Parts: sequence; C-alpha cells; structure tokens
Amino acid sequence: ETGVTQSPTHLIKTRGQQVTLRCSSQSGHNTVSWYQQALGQGPQFIFQYYREEENGRGNFPPRFSGLQFPNYSSELNVNALELDDSALYLCASTLMNVAGGQNEQFFGPGTRLTVL
Amino acid sequence: AQKITQTQPGMFVQEKEAVTLDCTYDTSDPSYGLFWYKQPSSGEMIFLIYQGSYDQQNATEGRYSLNFQKARKSANLVISASQLGDSAMYFCAMRDLGTSGYALNFGKGTSLLVTP
Repeated sequence: ETGVTQSPTHLIKTRGQQVTLRCSSQSGHNTVSWYQQALGQGPQFIFQYYREEENGRGNFPPRFSGLQFPNYSSELNVNALELDDSALYLCASTLMNVAGGQNEQFFGPGTRLTVL
Repeated sequence: AQKITQTQPGMFVQEKEAVTLDCTYDTSDPSYGLFWYKQPSSGEMIFLIYQGSYDQQNATEGRYSLNFQKARKSANLVISASQLGDSAMYFCAMRDLGTSGYALNFGKGTSLLVTP
C-alpha cells in the first residue's frame, strides 16, 4: 500500500463526454503527476503539479487539464473524450525537494477509463 | 529526448532461478536517474530499485539488483531466487535529474511469468 488512492476504480463514458478523475496523495507529498497507460504500453506522462501549479507537461492536448488542491489532492479532467482516451490513468505523488535525486514516486492503483 | 527500450516482451523463469530483464536507454542529459517498477495485474506501479547516473556502485534492494553499464547505456534488472509472486509486468523508466519536474519516461515493459 502506497497511501495514494484514486477514484473511481472503473469508468465508462461515451465519445464527446467529459470526465473527472481524482487522486489523493500520500500524506506530506507536495507533488502529483498523472500518467496515461494504454493497453500493452508503458505509462505516458501527462502533467505534473507542484504546490497547486502545473510545472511540467507531456505531449497531451489542452483538453487534458488538472488541478491540485491545498490538501494536495488532485483532479485530472478530460474534455471531449475520444476513443483513444481509453486507458488506465495513474497518479503518483512525491515530496519534491531542492536536492532532487531519487524522489521516489508512489503510484495509486489507477482508474480504468473506457470510452465507447 | 530520452528513450527507454525494453526488447523482451515476455520472459519465463522457473521458481528459485535468477532472471535478467533488459533495459537500454538513450539520453543527452549528463545527470539522470533510472528506475524499475513492477506492475501486477491489479495495476498499481510498485517501485523496486533506483540507480543514479553518478552512482559508483550498482544498486541492490533485497533480491533485486541493477546491472548498470553506463558506457553501454544499459540498466538491466536482475531478480534472484524468483518467486511465484514475481509474475508481473516490469517497467524500466528514467528521468532527467537536472530539471525541477519529475516526469518519468517509461519503456514498454516486459511480462515475467514465474513457473513452479
């Protein structure tokens, strides 16, 4: 158990709809990252939030957006869903410090999104 | 740009035997970190081991060791004394330690099956 939780576990949506996925970080962690993992692939970095500000983004369109709250919980919002958005969405939390280095990321169990 | 290559889609190993999972990487960054994660069928990514690019010795964590060959840009994971519970997907990942972000770049993974 990493202490990172995600909800919901599974979700089914139709094309064009909007979806919000939630993540609760491990206590004391100030950074959360979101990843998309398509079937048979490794996770792909979507974006990262540090102290409620986005401070890194992967190659994903603007319809993927996020929020980080003062209690360090986080949301991933996806607008205008497409069939290719079907994937496992993972969030990961860490404690970012000036020294950098290992900064192990702790992953949640993921939300499996199916777009029909 | 960073790239991680895992050339073994699937591996079999007998219980109690050792197995090596291959990982090669490509980066122009002088300071980077290499990670291995295990992903059981439940979906959660479990951190196994970390190697920094400037670490002089190969990393070890219990039954896991990392065979780091910097000149060849390889970071193979060695699992000794395999157990049935080691059956899972294994992902190699890296990140640039010179940036403030924490984006992990993952390979496509290797599926490991441990047989009795």
